[in-house]
Amino acid sequence: LAKTTQPISMDSYEGQEVNITCSHNNIATNDYITWYQQFPSQGPRFIIQGYKTKVTNEVASLFIPADRKSSTLSLPRVSLSDTAVYYCLVGGMNTGFQKLVFGTGTRLLVSP
Amino acid sequence: DAGVTQSPTHLIKTRGQQVTLRCSPKSGHDTVSWYQQALGQGPQFIFQYYEEEERQRGNFPDRFSGHQFPNYSSELNVNALLLGDSALYLCASSRGLAGLSTDTQYFGPGTRLTVL
Repeated sequence: LAKTTQPISMDSYEGQEVNITCSHNNIATNDYITWYQQFPSQGPRFIIQGYKTKVTNEVASLFIPADRKSSTLSLPRVSLSDTAVYYCLVGGMNTGFQKLVFGTGTRLLVSP
Repeated sequence: DAGVTQSPTHLIKTRGQQVTLRCSPKSGHDTVSWYQQALGQGPQFIFQYYEEEERQRGNFPDRFSGHQFPNYSSELNVNALLLGDSALYLCASSRGLAGLSTDTQYFGPGTRLTVL
């Protein structure tokens, strides 16, 4: 599975938009990009998944450029409760039984 | 619609003992994966079960074993516990798509295992 690189940590303030970029230079043609959010001592929570261009749901947006070598998770108007670790993963949906490969993630701290 | 559930929430064992952790998948899911998460690290894949068989395995010793039952629930067993086995153990469920691939994985709250 493709390796990903994310910033170790980010700081923001309530009400701001936060963009977390993930690099995945050797992403394969059939790989999808998935983002998870994790609070301390809880399981990761699925946020969003995409293959190309832009995907939006009620929680976040995911921007994927044409070359798909990176992706950006956008969190609009963050609140204190968005303080968490965010993981970017890439993997194929049709490559057999899928195991998720997590990196160390990005620790987002939202301050008042 | 119940999500993924795990039991127990917390567990304390001593070195050399054996432990069994349990997981019930989300309704409609038939594939269960187990992950180990050490403090400050991302989850690490242990193994995945589909149709009561182990389908994929990560880089974990044979002390880690599992089982999946006909109702899709699963157990993770760890024998001869070491101090380094202390971690949050996560279960994730998904839909096996015609046995060829799996859908998005949804995680349970985890079991915190402490080995003294």
